[in-house]
Amino acid sequence: GQQLNQSPQSMFIQEGEDVSMNCTSSSIFNTWLWYKQDPGEGPVLLIALYKAGELTSNGRLTAQFGITRKDSFLNISASIPSDVGIYFCAGRLRGGSNYKLTFGKGTLLTVNP
Amino acid sequence: GAGVSQSPSNKVTEKGKDVELRCDPISGHTALYWYRQSLGQGLEFLIYFQGNSAPDKSGLPSDRFSAERTGGSVSTLTIQRTQQEDSAVYLCASSSGKDEQYFGPGTRLTVT
Repeated sequence: GQQLNQSPQSMFIQEGEDVSMNCTSSSIFNTWLWYKQDPGEGPVLLIALYKAGELTSNGRLTAQFGITRKDSFLNISASIPSDVGIYFCAGRLRGGSNYKLTFGKGTLLTVNP
Repeated sequence: GAGVSQSPSNKVTEKGKDVELRCDPISGHTALYWYRQSLGQGLEFLIYFQGNSAPDKSGLPSDRFSAERTGGSVSTLTIQRTQQEDSAVYLCASSSGKDEQYFGPGTRLTVT
């Protein structure tokens, strides 16, 4: 099936640092979503993007829908220990079903206090 | 209000046995999804229910997997004759159709 390439696979940072992760694809998406998953929990939606070029913030998190519609990035500023978790990108393919999401493999974030 | 709930939270079963995993979606949500999450992997779509429409079963990996949704609410995912490669976290999500998916905590299945 369609693949989203999410990078990096993992990150180890110090508290207070900024973080950036991204997803790319060879296909065009008309929705980009970013989720966070804590251990033993299901993913929780952080930010949803529906328009090319859209830049949206949620507290210390900022995400952008790439102009080419084939990529998206998520930035976390001034990281804190509770930012630890797995971050997933997900998207809806242009021309695909409006309910089916394609997920990246996740970025494991570790924050050292 | 209550979120998506799943049971059991953990299930250990012997190879060859059947298992049933349950999902209670958010009240009023018409759409329900099942995903499989293997270690270090993203979420793999399994099946989608929307109201009374025929489900999209295109993600079910084999005929050992089946799911039903009774009364448009609770859903059960059944895996027959489990294999070790079925070991994974099975996640359920629901949505109203007007917003994005809300996920349950998952069932961690271990096949020994």
